[in-house]
Amino acid sequence: QVQLVQSGDEVKKPGASVNVSCKASGYTFMNHGISWVRQAPGQGLEWMGWISPYNGNTKYAQKVQGRVAMTRDTTTSTAYMELRSLRSDDTAVYYCARDRVWLGETDYWGQGTLVAVSS
Amino acid sequence: EIVLTQSPGTLSLSPGERATLSCRASQSVSSTYLAWYQQKPGQAPRLLIYGASSRATGIPDRFSGTGSGAVFSLTISRLEPEDFAVYYCQQCGTSPWTFGQGTKVDIK
Repeated sequence: QVQLVQSGDEVKKPGASVNVSCKASGYTFMNHGISWVRQAPGQGLEWMGWISPYNGNTKYAQKVQGRVAMTRDTTTSTAYMELRSLRSDDTAVYYCARDRVWLGETDYWGQGTLVAVSS
Repeated sequence: EIVLTQSPGTLSLSPGERATLSCRASQSVSSTYLAWYQQKPGQAPRLLIYGASSRATGIPDRFSGTGSGAVFSLTISRLEPEDFAVYYCQQCGTSPWTFGQGTKVDIK
């Protein structure tokens, strides 16, 4: 069965970086894009970006452009999201999610990783 | 970017009632790229509808989606206890993908 398993919760200080991993299993990793979506406490969903596991191409939301890097390791079927220069308003649950079809809606989601930014 | 506005913000209904949720886009969205998700507290979102009207795998037929252009809707024909949750629309046709702010369906 399709599974996306994310790394554990993190507590970071302002200005630090965080790297969240998303290990995929149960399907051919390179055949489905991966989106990253975050959700601040009590708020809605915010799309951060997308990566092609096939060739590493990325799309980023303007809000995080310049601070975010999405990468993948095809040998371990794992996607990564690094966010730098963390601020308090980056505190959120971060989700990875698999495209149902290429560059489309997402049909499987990771369990979420809480990133808390606090001094 | 395309802004999606969902209404109402909260819908208070009883089990067995019909729920109709609206999603309006700031510009036309290809129906191919309009999706609806359900999210319960502490859980990841779950895909309900894609392509504006196609149910995702395992989604009961009491959920239906319609719409085109800039106006879309999600209908739950008869609310079951497990349907009380927050619902989001999303467009993934134009980067950046965007979500609506959500509609909470709660028990009256």
